[in-house]
Amino acid sequence: SQQGEEDPQALSIQEGENATMNCSYKTSINNLQWYRQNSGRGLVHLILIRSNEREKHSGRLRVTLDTSKKSSSLLITASRAADTASYFCATAAIVGAGNKLTFGGGTRVLVKP
Amino acid sequence: DTAVSQTPKYLVTQMGNDKSIKCEQNLGHDTMYWYKQDSKKFLKIMFSYNNKELIINETVPNRFSPKSPDKAHLNLHINSLELGDSAVYFCATAPGASGGELFFGEGSRLTVL
Repeated sequence: SQQGEEDPQALSIQEGENATMNCSYKTSINNLQWYRQNSGRGLVHLILIRSNEREKHSGRLRVTLDTSKKSSSLLITASRAADTASYFCATAAIVGAGNKLTFGGGTRVLVKP
Repeated sequence: DTAVSQTPKYLVTQMGNDKSIKCEQNLGHDTMYWYKQDSKKFLKIMFSYNNKELIINETVPNRFSPKSPDKAHLNLHINSLELGDSAVYFCATAPGASGGELFFGEGSRLTVL
């Protein structure tokens, strides 16, 4: 089963509005990351939040992490048409000698101009 | 210069064939991964190599065999292709195995007919 599960699966908003998506996970993590994927392209890293952090900002992005609820949220403020993409959360945990990054199924965001 | 490059970008082949996908990185990273993204956009880790050594091997049919000839290359060979192998395969890299961000290639879309 997927470690991270995003909610909602799809989101449609008008340009200028905020977009919020949530991620829930099941096991202990070292950090949680958010990635963006444009259609037909590879994933691009957006932001990383460590397990001992509660909130992080990067430009128009705001990420929160609640380890007691095993959940995270990604907020994109003042959305633009160019923000149209799929957004994935990924949880990082050390497995044996390696770091395993486990992805959820993503939230598809459509920003209408 | 593309940091993480995969070839081929598209591959269409018949069931039962054997095919390879190649990945090369010029970032000097120690760790490389193969991920599989299915038609519902779920990303699942398959393998991870650190300095040419296999460190993560998920439950993947043994028809899939990764090979890392050197630190900059990670190839994926698939024997006896099946319809269910149709997916987009992503190569990703990381500086180390400690849980930081991943750098993804653009993906190789495999279609098995």
